[in-house]
Amino acid sequence: EAGVTQFPSHSVIEKGQTVTLRCDPISGHDNLYWYRRVMGKEIKFLLHFVKESKQDESGMPNNRFLAERTGGTYSTLKVQPAELEDSGVYFCASSPFATGELFFGEGSRLTVL
Amino acid sequence: GNSVTQMEGPVTLSEEAFLTINCTYTATGYPSLFWYVQYPGEGLQLLLKATKADDKGSNKGFEATYRKETTSFHLEKGSVQVSDSAVYFCALPRGAGGTSYGKLTFGQGTILTVHP
Repeated sequence: EAGVTQFPSHSVIEKGQTVTLRCDPISGHDNLYWYRRVMGKEIKFLLHFVKESKQDESGMPNNRFLAERTGGTYSTLKVQPAELEDSGVYFCASSPFATGELFFGEGSRLTVL
Repeated sequence: GNSVTQMEGPVTLSEEAFLTINCTYTATGYPSLFWYVQYPGEGLQLLLKATKADDKGSNKGFEATYRKETTSFHLEKGSVQVSDSAVYFCALPRGAGGTSYGKLTFGQGTILTVHP
């Protein structure tokens, strides 16, 4: 069974540009989460989808971040326009139930210059 | 919301040494506690968990006991191997209630390097 896959693995963009990160969860997992780790600090929750609906987006830092989950399958996280402080590793995770046992992707490293 | 404080490291050990990585938490009620591990080039994966006070989670020779009196969940292994080199994260739900499950608060991570 395929795990959680994220694309791209690394993106380097200039301040003011737009980047879209994609996450394909494990098939059948209704719960999808986005997390972010900035500069070796703690991993922070961004938002939670249940199927195609946003259940909690309280961790989104500001309105430059937009997440969608098409048809309850894959998800995208768009940053527009990107700022220097957005640099970090963006992790996607999925789970069949909201129990805290998450299956993570390898992460997408974003570098904003 | 809930919070976690984790020993930062990095930690460098020789093979077969004893490992302890400290984790303490502040939480409403008695939430489940987790240790996640990230091996080089891989995503985080659940290492072990404990769901109630005095529970001991264990996996791959690692253990952690849920201590409510000291609000701790320290990770231990009696004899580490080179293959244990990774980053270890302590975690718990962000807030109280079932809807918080899956939405975790993580510690800063501890880098463990084990030398032959």
